[in-house]
Amino acid sequence: GENVEQHPSTLSVQEGDSAVIKCTYSDSASNYFPWYKQELGKGPQLIIDIRSNVGEKKDQRIAVTLNKTAKHFSLHITETQPEDSAVYFCAPRESSGSARQLTFGSGTQLTVLP
Amino acid sequence: DSGVTQTPKHLITATGQRVTLRCSPRSGDLSVYWYQQSLDQGLQFLIQYYNGEERAKGNILERFSAQQFPDLHSELNLSSLELGDSALYFCASSVGTSGRWEQFFGPGTRLTVL
Repeated sequence: GENVEQHPSTLSVQEGDSAVIKCTYSDSASNYFPWYKQELGKGPQLIIDIRSNVGEKKDQRIAVTLNKTAKHFSLHITETQPEDSAVYFCAPRESSGSARQLTFGSGTQLTVLP
Repeated sequence: DSGVTQTPKHLITATGQRVTLRCSPRSGDLSVYWYQQSLDQGLQFLIQYYNGEERAKGNILERFSAQQFPDLHSELNLSSLELGDSALYFCASSVGTSGRWEQFFGPGTRLTVL
């Protein structure tokens, strides 16, 4: 199965600064790399994802970069705002084939200080 | 709002008791997943159903069981409850079974075992 490590476990940044969270995985068959955001009292929500044929993907202030050779991908949040404060999870997986469950990283608590 | 509903929102019970958690997937989704989120274990996959049939099993205890009904709603039954079963339980749904389908998470049920 997939072994997923996520760093850091906690991250505090000043509003307006950037935040980077890294996820390392073990399964070379993984080809889909999503990031989830979980706000207090809510379930995880997909915020951005990338597939293995792409090295980077951007959506406004968030981006994901992938290094398949090194088996890691990162979430980048620029111009952070207080509403970015949440727990972020990575969940790499192999997208084709039969039923698959998500293996989540251990989560990163991001706090954006005003 | 993901479109996935879970009831109840909170549940407080005693050790040794049995509880049932309910999940209604998004309209059109055939696949339902159950996850447990605790402070020390992170987000753990329990079990998946697709169109009424069990499709994948994760770290689900023998004291726990689930089913998916013809109307596609699902129930997670937890019996002989222990203090360590206190956690958030999330249901997620997706259109299909394979990993290429995005999973949408419900708001969760917080279970407290006293």
